[in-house]
Amino acid sequence: QVQLQESGPGLVKPSQTLSLTCSVSGGSITSGGYYWTWIRQHPGKGLEWIGYIYYSGSTYYNPSLKSRITISIDTSKNQFSLKLSSVTAADTAVYYCAREHGGLHYWGQGTLVTVSS
Amino acid sequence: EIVLTQSPATLSLSPGERATLSCRASQSVSSHLVWYQHKPGQAPRLLIYDASNRATGIPARFSGSGSGTDFTLTISSLEPEDFAVYYCQHRSNWPPGATFGPGTKVDIK
Repeated sequence: QVQLQESGPGLVKPSQTLSLTCSVSGGSITSGGYYWTWIRQHPGKGLEWIGYIYYSGSTYYNPSLKSRITISIDTSKNQFSLKLSSVTAADTAVYYCAREHGGLHYWGQGTLVTVSS
Repeated sequence: EIVLTQSPATLSLSPGERATLSCRASQSVSSHLVWYQHKPGQAPRLLIYDASNRATGIPARFSGSGSGTDFTLTISSLEPEDFAVYYCQHRSNWPPGATFGPGTKVDIK
């Protein structure tokens, strides 16, 4: 059974870079056909797709966030990561990682990141 | 960019009743439409993929239909654990990307 777990700071200061890691267990991140995805949910709001990375390293980002996002993959650790630069209070959200293949079948539990000084 | 619209925003029903949720796409997405259930404090759960295929372990009371621009998620008889927010989602191969609808909240009447 594939499991995903987000980790990273729960509090980030404005203008700094938010960094999160998603650890994957129960399967190899290099298995073909899967898109390793980040999603977020602002407090009281709906789901927002952030972007994904293919096992080959190809990335695709939400156009509204593209200038600030980097998603990378570390196959040696079976992890993938999200960096979101120049954060503001508007980036306060629960961040989820997930595995996509015709749908987001496996999700992490989510981690709340608050942007505040 | 494809925009997904869900209706109604809120659906107030009693256990045992039938729930019908709608998702409309701004342009055709063929059958590339997914439904999720989301409860507070939990990760979303995939219910239906490719518009009408139930994911593993999803009860038969959940069904999806539609193609093109109009899609429906039906819960034939609401169980207490079904009260949640439901999202539709489309992932595009080109241009690459994904979009969620704004969600429909199913709450207890």
